[in-house]
Amino acid sequence: EADIYQTPRYLVIGTGKKITLECSQTMGHDKMYWYQQDPGMELHLIHYSYGVNSTEKGDLSSESTVSRIRTEHFPLTLESARPSHTSQYLCASRNRGLRDTQYFGPGTRLTVL
Amino acid sequence: KNQVEQSPQSLIILEGKNCTLQCNYTVSPFSNLRWYKQDTGRGPVSLTIMTFSENTKSNGRYTATLDADTKQSSLHITASQLSDSASYICVVSGGNYGGSQGNLIFGKGTKLSVKP
Repeated sequence: EADIYQTPRYLVIGTGKKITLECSQTMGHDKMYWYQQDPGMELHLIHYSYGVNSTEKGDLSSESTVSRIRTEHFPLTLESARPSHTSQYLCASRNRGLRDTQYFGPGTRLTVL
Repeated sequence: KNQVEQSPQSLIILEGKNCTLQCNYTVSPFSNLRWYKQDTGRGPVSLTIMTFSENTKSNGRYTATLDADTKQSSLHITASQLSDSASYICVVSGGNYGGSQGNLIFGKGTKLSVKP
């Protein structure tokens, strides 16, 4: 079982609300990622980080923002949620090696009404 | 264009039977290929990883094969169990995986249902 955690697991909110999805890992991994996954579809990378104070946008355009102030913490924020943001959000982390496994958290299922 | 195609899209088998899932990719340059298992509502969990020089890798009842020449991989599940019901995702890493985010290309997955 990987030591990577996400909260909340499920969230139902109204349009226009600001939300923060939490992700933390205790493995000391430098690299962390956020993916968005719709039901039955593939994962899409929306943000990643090489380490503290490093953040980059992924392949899929997203209105969310991230921060990396501490190695173990990589929160994702939506300033104003919309129904189009309804999806599953998966956080992942890995070490630097070529063959190092990417460990995923359990995910946050977000529903915006 | 870098792509990962998986087949079949979904599969139903009886408990105890074997099955094989396919993954074809067009990712270049190629670094490694991974198979993940994703239970419904959970994050993916790594099953195997293979570089271009590895033809086969086993993890219990799961055996993955790789043909880097034809750019094909398969995941064989032996003596299936009800707990094998999940989505199986093929992920190909292109370019310098040790560098940036690693150019991970995800397939859409094969949804496997094992029935009693």
